[in-house]
Amino acid sequence: DQQVKQNSPSLSVQEGRISILNCDYTNSMFDYFLWYKKYPAEGPTFLISISSIKDKNEDGRFTVFLNKSAKHLSLHIVPSQPGDSAVYFCAASDSGTYKYIFGTGTRLKVLA
Amino acid sequence: KAGVTQTPRYLIKTRGQQVTLSCSPISGHRSVSWYQQTPGQGLQFLFEYFSETQRNKGNFPGRFSGRQFSNSRSEMNVSTLELGDSALYLCASSNPHLSYEQYFGPGTRLTVT
Repeated sequence: DQQVKQNSPSLSVQEGRISILNCDYTNSMFDYFLWYKKYPAEGPTFLISISSIKDKNEDGRFTVFLNKSAKHLSLHIVPSQPGDSAVYFCAASDSGTYKYIFGTGTRLKVLA
Repeated sequence: KAGVTQTPRYLIKTRGQQVTLSCSPISGHRSVSWYQQTPGQGLQFLFEYFSETQRNKGNFPGRFSGRQFSNSRSEMNVSTLELGDSALYLCASSNPHLSYEQYFGPGTRLTVT
């Protein structure tokens, strides 16, 4: 049972435009969410997080939105840059379990 | 601050052998988690340690085990290796007293032949 889903395996966006990456979850006990970026042969790099008490968190070009009723979160990257091309993972946790569940990732390609 | 380090970076083993992977967390981080990444499967949670205690475990067979030392360094061991154990093994550390954010090491690429 995949508790965290990233239904778009890939996404292509023009440089300068907005990239929107989506993530859905099924477990209503999840209360903390993370986004990571991963390049080949490297470990994931932490980007941004959000707790369930918020519906938005912003850090520079990255904004994460959380819709608890829909069990959906999204990562917005504005403006997109070629260096943003990577695989993006969302992860969710019930903070009392000390365990993160990751989605299968979305490969973002930013076209120059 | 130095990041999370993992050794070795690459490893080739034969079916039936066992392997031990090592992870040194960021200084001050007492929580270490291990993940397995295979193509198309994303990151699968193996286990989490805090202050030398395993607090949670994923759905992996008993051949996968781990431990944490008093200096927070962690090791994971896989016994009786199978071809399907070929994967990138990642560890992540965090300081739960400050935040739930996890920081990953570069991973160990294990190939089982």
